[in-house]
Amino acid sequence: AQSVTQLGSHVSVSEGALVLLRCNYSSSVPPYLFWYVQYPNQGLQLLLKYTTGATLVKGINGFEAEFKKSETSFHLTKPSAHMSDAAEYFCAVSTYTGANSKLTFGKGITLSVRP
Amino acid sequence: GAVVSQHPSWVICKSGTSVKIECRSLDFQATTMFWYRQFPKQSLMLMATSNEGSKATYEQGVEKDKFLINHASLTLSTLTVTSAHPEDSSFYICSARLAGVSTDTQYFGPGTRLTVL
Repeated sequence: AQSVTQLGSHVSVSEGALVLLRCNYSSSVPPYLFWYVQYPNQGLQLLLKYTTGATLVKGINGFEAEFKKSETSFHLTKPSAHMSDAAEYFCAVSTYTGANSKLTFGKGITLSVRP
Repeated sequence: GAVVSQHPSWVICKSGTSVKIECRSLDFQATTMFWYRQFPKQSLMLMATSNEGSKATYEQGVEKDKFLINHASLTLSTLTVTSAHPEDSSFYICSARLAGVSTDTQYFGPGTRLTVL
């Protein structure tokens, strides 16, 4: 079984400040980890993913995340927030099991950016 | 690359009617597509897994006779909400899976807002 914990439901930062969105996972096998962003009334857009290889992954819009196995974490960061970053962010985990691979989502975090 | 479309983007229907939602992978073939439901301010709830050429696998608690899924080709899956009722009003999102040992990723459509009057 796999699960994702995103603590808190809302993060507010000032424009230009560091963005840190936390994600912890639980998985009995090596996980694949994802961050998705959702803007109002839209589907999910893939920000970045970790499957294998380098543990620090860079995504779109200046976001990056680091897979830390010892901490079972995959926190999302961005050095300098923009107003356009305001959205809902979902962390998700899957395990590659061939045809039966499924995503398990966290409950999401709303990011607000103050001018 | 990896673009998924959904049609329609929104639909309003009367109670008791059926509504079909299409999900297409535009630039890749997807043997597996997924259908999710999302309530306001909540995460995505997986409804079913759709495999091309075979019957869909429904999650526990999802009525398969109410939510009919067809995956007739490698680029198209459809979700039909039969005899819709107001409680079926929701945001429905599909995803298409780009499979592979080191690339296994779901790409999501833009969603369909269903309102049942």
